[in-house]
Amino acid sequence: SQQGEEDPQALSIQEGENATMNCSYKTSINNLQWYRQNSGRGLVHLILIRSNEREKHSGRLRVTLDTSKKSSSLLITASRAADTASYFCAPGGGSNYKLTFGKGTLLTVNP
Amino acid sequence: DAMVIQNPRYQVTQFGKPVTLSCSQTLNHNVMYWYQQKSSQAPKLLFHYYDKDFNNEADTPDNFQSRRPNTSFCFLDIRSPGLGDAAMYLCATSRETGPQETQYFGPGTRLLVL
Repeated sequence: SQQGEEDPQALSIQEGENATMNCSYKTSINNLQWYRQNSGRGLVHLILIRSNEREKHSGRLRVTLDTSKKSSSLLITASRAADTASYFCAPGGGSNYKLTFGKGTLLTVNP
Repeated sequence: DAMVIQNPRYQVTQFGKPVTLSCSQTLNHNVMYWYQQKSSQAPKLLFHYYDKDFNNEADTPDNFQSRRPNTSFCFLDIRSPGLGDAAMYLCATSRETGPQETQYFGPGTRLLVL
């Protein structure tokens, strides 16, 4: 498996603003997943984008995938204080069962 | 409706005293995972079960063991906890293995070693 690297490490915005975080990876993938972790809690699956997809939406979330650049971005629109969390990407390739998480992006949304 | 349950949420143990963390699931998933997450770090996979088949990660210390007596339950045993084992321990499940599978996480057990 390969580890995604999230960027930036930390992001602080005001409520109502959009938040964008990025993920880079090294080798080809079949799909890429994004997860959220609220402080002191488990991870929650947000969205999976397949390698043949370029963009995917889920509510206020928009995920893009650029396989030529080996990168993905997660956009949260109209952020809320409840969006404050760490966000992790997990690139998935081949038959490997493992999800290998990076250190994540810590998003703080200030009221 | 809780799907992956971890007990206890907080566990305090003494240096060297064996401790067991538990995880149960109502999803009837084949796969159960245990992760260790230290402060401000990525969750690190320790091992997983596919049904009764145990799969240990190469760098998981021998101090960490696991049991899965049935589909619903999985336990993490730390035989002789050291100060460095203080962490959040996350249990997760998935229907099958493979990178396309969504993992469902429990709320975690925070372990403190005194």
